[in-house]
Amino acid sequence: AQSVTQPDIHITVSEGASLELRCNYSYGATPYLFWYVQSPGQGLQLLLKYFSGDTLVQGIKGFEAEFKRSQSSFNLRKPSVHWSDAAEYFCAVGAKAAGNKLTFGGGTRVLVKP
Amino acid sequence: KAGVTQTPRYLIKTRGQQVTLSCSPISGHRSVSWYQQTPGQGLQFLFEYFSETQRNKGNFPGRFSGRQFSNSRSEMNVSTLELGDSALYLCASSPTAGTMEVTFGSGTRLTVV
Repeated sequence: AQSVTQPDIHITVSEGASLELRCNYSYGATPYLFWYVQSPGQGLQLLLKYFSGDTLVQGIKGFEAEFKRSQSSFNLRKPSVHWSDAAEYFCAVGAKAAGNKLTFGGGTRVLVKP
Repeated sequence: KAGVTQTPRYLIKTRGQQVTLSCSPISGHRSVSWYQQTPGQGLQFLFEYFSETQRNKGNFPGRFSGRQFSNSRSEMNVSTLELGDSALYLCASSPTAGTMEVTFGSGTRLTVV
């Protein structure tokens, strides 16, 4: 069975600074990896996904993520955060054999200081 | 193009009651999945429906059930509500099964008192 760990529960970053959110997954075969963002009281919005190919994936809102098979990681990055990036971020893994079922990490809440 | 619509947005129920939540997928989407989100357990998969058939089920008690209609709309039902069922219930739709590229609705916030 697949699992996802997001080691950081909270991260505080200054506006304009860079941001990196960590994600480690466990899955025996080729994983399908996702990053979602959730604003308070809202659903999840897909930021980016990795299925195969180039290990550096570009997403919306200036986010990117890098898949590192050797480290079982899929970390999310943004060079310069904006106050509107304050939200909760979730990493998820899917498996072909499991249909559309996604397994999510516990989430990282990002606070942006002015 | 309308997104995934979940109704109602908020719901308050009493312990022991039952509740039905509704999800209308994006037009043309035939797969609907349901997730429960709580502060303690995070996001957990409940079940997935495709073409009116349950394709996948998470590790939840039988009090949680769902169904999908011929127009792809889906409902989930929770019977004999417990305080621990208080959660944000999220529905997600996808054009077909097995793509894993799903679009989430805004959720239904259920409070059990």
